[in-house]
Amino acid sequence: GAGVSQSPSNKVTEKGKDVELRCDPISGHTALYWYRQSLGQGLEFLIYFQGNSAPDKSGLPSDRFSAERTGGSVSTLTIQRTQQEDSAVYLCASSFIRAVDEQYFGPGTRLTVT
Amino acid sequence: QKEVEQDPGPLSVPEGAIVSLNCTYSNSAFQYFMWYRQYSRKGPELLMYTYSSGNKEDGRFTAQVDKSSKYISLFIRDSQPSDSATYLCAMRGGTSGSRLTFGEGTQLTVNP
Repeated sequence: GAGVSQSPSNKVTEKGKDVELRCDPISGHTALYWYRQSLGQGLEFLIYFQGNSAPDKSGLPSDRFSAERTGGSVSTLTIQRTQQEDSAVYLCASSFIRAVDEQYFGPGTRLTVT
Repeated sequence: QKEVEQDPGPLSVPEGAIVSLNCTYSNSAFQYFMWYRQYSRKGPELLMYTYSSGNKEDGRFTAQVDKSSKYISLFIRDSQPSDSATYLCAMRGGTSGSRLTFGEGTQLTVNP
């Protein structure tokens, strides 16, 4: 079946602009995660949506970052007033709630802030 | 200090070699351990996960966990050029809930 998809695959934006990154999870997966991968930093947790529960936003680095998940499926990560340090690959993953250790990742969105 | 330490490499081995990849961690609450493989410009893919100390084998891959030493390993037997990728350890437990904490990843190249 279809895996996790993300769009766009690449995004170049100017400092100060807002960007929206989209994630389509695997059908039936009610848990959705956003991570950020920077050179030399590994994967850094950003936010976690679990079904209808309030999201775990503890990994968001600043209030410029926000995410929503509509209808329990598609998720959008928004970065406002982008800064150069926001340049990274943003990865989305999904899983069944009872299988949080089996997270399936999308290909990521490579964000470059100039 | 990072909660999970992983030598970033790069590690280069000849085809057929046994590869050992390792992570150490400082948070004793971590109870669940995973290994992911990431090819260039792709998302990570889950290789193995394990919950208990000891060994877990899957084909050419063996995951080993030593909770007393806070040390996990991934062994790859009869390594192939197609194993060339970055290998990331990940773990969770305690107050981290469902969020995974990753190591930096080790870049492996298997030379034919």
